[in-house]
Amino acid sequence: AQSVAQPEDQVNVAEGNPLTVKCTYSVSGNPYLFWYVQYPNRGLQFLLKYITGDNLVKGSYGFEAEFNKSQTSFHLKKPSALVSDSALYFCAVRDPGGGTYKYIFGTGTRLKVLA
Amino acid sequence: DGGITQSPKYLFRKEGQNVTLSCEQNLNHDAMYWYRQDPGQGLRLIYYSQIVNDFQKGDIAEGYSVSREKKESFPLTVTSAQKNPTAFYLCASIGSAMNTEAFFGQGTRLTVV
Repeated sequence: AQSVAQPEDQVNVAEGNPLTVKCTYSVSGNPYLFWYVQYPNRGLQFLLKYITGDNLVKGSYGFEAEFNKSQTSFHLKKPSALVSDSALYFCAVRDPGGGTYKYIFGTGTRLKVLA
Repeated sequence: DGGITQSPKYLFRKEGQNVTLSCEQNLNHDAMYWYRQDPGQGLRLIYYSQIVNDFQKGDIAEGYSVSREKKESFPLTVTSAQKNPTAFYLCASIGSAMNTEAFFGQGTRLTVV
């Protein structure tokens, strides 16, 4: 069965420092991987996705993510954090060979950027 | 302006009452989803529909019902059988290709009073 894990409930980082939010996955085939951000009392917004090709994917607001097949990871990164990046971040996976259209989400990681 | 709209934003339910949450999309998406969000538990799938007049139970379907009579609409009814309905409810729609991202509504916060 497919699954996604976000091992950290919260990540704190100082403004201007690089940030990493971790995600690992488990699927039977090649995964489609996604990152979303949620601000308080709002829906989720799409940040970026990995489908195929380059392992480093660039997305919105200066975020990027690195797909690592051997480590089954898809960590979200940003070279220089902003206070406005503080939000809840979700990793999600779809298994195109799994015969289902279901999206599986991780439990979320709260990012706090300190001024 | 394409998008997905949930209403109302806030909803209060008395004990023993059924309430219906609205979700409408004009993105021409086939698939629509309902998720429940509780603090510290991420998103849990309630129901999903891949095509009109068809829907499937998710992981926590008990106490909920849905219909999909039109492609644009996927309302969720929270019935009196749902013993702990207070939560934030999110609706999403996704295009037919597996590599497309989901579009989310702004959510409905349901509170039992």
